[in-house]
Amino acid sequence: GIQVEQSPPDLILQEGANSTLRCNFSDSVNNLQWFHQNPWGQLINLFYIPSGTKQNGRLSATTVATERYSLLYISSSQTTDSGVYFCAVGRNTGGFKTIFGAGTRLFVKA
Amino acid sequence: EPEVTQTPSHQVTQMGQEVILRCVPISNHLYFYWYRQILGQKVEFLVSFYNNEISEKSEIFDDQFSVERPDGSNFTLKIRSTKLEDSAMYFCAEADLGDRYEQYFGPGTRLTVT
Repeated sequence: GIQVEQSPPDLILQEGANSTLRCNFSDSVNNLQWFHQNPWGQLINLFYIPSGTKQNGRLSATTVATERYSLLYISSSQTTDSGVYFCAVGRNTGGFKTIFGAGTRLFVKA
Repeated sequence: EPEVTQTPSHQVTQMGQEVILRCVPISNHLYFYWYRQILGQKVEFLVSFYNNEISEKSEIFDDQFSVERPDGSNFTLKIRSTKLEDSAMYFCAEADLGDRYEQYFGPGTRLTVT
């Protein structure tokens, strides 16, 4: 099955700093999404980005499908950005399943 | 963004009991999924469901689990005889008819088996 690797596993930032999170995947995919899991456990949908680049405020993401990786950029980080960031990929093989990476745990210090 | 709702938000049950977790779909969504997340671990795929049939399931989704859409509205996950290791957060997700690949997640149900 598809393997999903995220890096770094843990990240500590000072408020205001920028960061880049990476997601590598081992096969072609139909779906790639980035999620933020907040301290209450909710999965917040950040981007649906199987290819290309998108931006939403301080966050942006780029997926290079041919090279099987995606990047999530966080600029001017805030304490509320703390939590776990998951990359999830999916592939249609008749059925459809989504595989999550292990996540990047981000802590932003005030 | 459309809102997916799940009930209950937290369920405590005794080992060996049956539990039913519910997901209230968004009106035009036809593709449904269940995931679980054991505390501190990554989110794991359980099953996908379309047109009243399972379309894909993981090795976790054994005979203790079942899914259905009993009345054409709620989408349910049943665990027949709960075990301690079933304690986890269970997420429902949906995708719409037009774009089956972008999934919208519910807030989750935290299941605690004692």
